[in-house]
Amino acid sequence: QPVLTQSSSASASLGSSVKLTCTLSSGLRTYVIAWHQQQPGKAPRFLMNVEDSGSYNRGSGVPDRFSGSSSGADRYLTISNVQSEDEAEYYCETWDSKGIFGTGTKLTVL
Amino acid sequence: EVQLVESGGGLVRPGGSLRLSCAASGFSFKTYSMNWVRQAPGKGLEWVSSISSTSSFIYYADSVKGRFTISRDNAKNSLYLQLDSLSVGDTALYYCARRVVPRLGGSALLGGGVDHWGQGTLVTVSS
Repeated sequence: QPVLTQSSSASASLGSSVKLTCTLSSGLRTYVIAWHQQQPGKAPRFLMNVEDSGSYNRGSGVPDRFSGSSSGADRYLTISNVQSEDEAEYYCETWDSKGIFGTGTKLTVL
Repeated sequence: EVQLVESGGGLVRPGGSLRLSCAASGFSFKTYSMNWVRQAPGKGLEWVSSISSTSSFIYYADSVKGRFTISRDNAKNSLYLQLDSLSVGDTALYYCARRVVPRLGGSALLGGGVDHWGQGTLVTVSS
């Protein structure tokens, strides 16, 4: 059963940096993942794709405070200079003849 | 600007049916695969169904297989989801989303996901 594993919660102080992790199950280690942000009460928003090489492509209008990277089966989303509006749920997603979503990481800004 | 606008949600009794629509604009609809994704109240995102650009490939989550039907009309830039035999567990916000195949040079990469989302339409199943 292919899965994406995310921590349920994370926190960061205003102005600091935080790195969120999405771990792909063994059969998906080379897959590209998408990161999405969902602010409270809003629809999800696509942030970026992250390849197994570590290359990433931000969506239109996504601030460059958001970056991606990769190491083995892990795909990362790093938010620099965390702002209050970054408090949200963050989901990773991939495709393997079906859509697969991680369970989401709730980011709290302190 | 890419826009996806869902409609058709509402309150329905268990066992009932609904047809959701998604109007797409701002891009060449006929060249993209499309997804439906849902989110139950207070829960995470759940992929529901996908359809390829020419409707040649269609996929469903096990939870909806045999009850939901995805379709599209490329002439009308529209995506649809027919929901039949609805149960309380289908109560959710249903999102229309554009799916992209990640590419490196001219070659398709494995994985990827959606790159644009609609605002969602609420389906409530209750007696």
